[in-house]
Amino acid sequence: GAVVSQHPSRVICKSGTSVKIECRSLDFQATTMFWYRQFPKQSLMLMATSNEGSKATYEQGVEKDKFLINHASLTLSTLTVTSAHPEDSSFYICSARASGTGDLRAGELFFGEGSRLTVL
Amino acid sequence: AQTVTQSQPEMSVQEAETVTLSCTYDTSESNYYLFWYKQPPSRQMILVIRQEAYKQQNATENRFSVNFQKAAKSFSLKISDSQLGDTAMYFCAFMKLRAWGKLQFGAGTQVVVTP
Repeated sequence: GAVVSQHPSRVICKSGTSVKIECRSLDFQATTMFWYRQFPKQSLMLMATSNEGSKATYEQGVEKDKFLINHASLTLSTLTVTSAHPEDSSFYICSARASGTGDLRAGELFFGEGSRLTVL
Repeated sequence: AQTVTQSQPEMSVQEAETVTLSCTYDTSESNYYLFWYKQPPSRQMILVIRQEAYKQQNATENRFSVNFQKAAKSFSLKISDSQLGDTAMYFCAFMKLRAWGKLQFGAGTQVVVTP
């Protein structure tokens, strides 16, 4: 089956530093990827939609300058948490929407394994 | 705006028994998809089953089936012959047809399967 890989799976950083999380579709092209945030024992909240070659679309209440999203290729989207603070500690999950090339149906959604960010 | 409500924070079921998880949603959309996702301790989101709103027939995937009541905006998941590996958090999710890929999740129901 299709695989979406997130890296790193766990990251610990100091307050004030920036952290980059990668979401990569390994065997299919994804023109659109989605970034979610999940607090402990809570649900997933959509943060933004990442479109290849264009600016990301952010959900209401999500600071675009805080959470920078870049989707430079059909297989890679990155989320950068800038000037991270302890309240940014969370589990970040991406999903990728298959563009329909190869043997994957267009629109199929696949989730990454998630990245746990801890800000000290 | 859509809301997805899962009113059962936790459900416990014995192996081989059946458990039903409830989900209700609110929307003004006429065309949409509903999903059930499973999140085991590994945190990987796994699609369990999906239902297209314009299809009357309830979706079934092996031991998993749904009871989709469009008028009542209800979408429950039945897990039959529960197995220990079914222990996980289960999320109900809603997706507008015109916003493909953007999922709105419910709060989740923790299912614990006991021997």
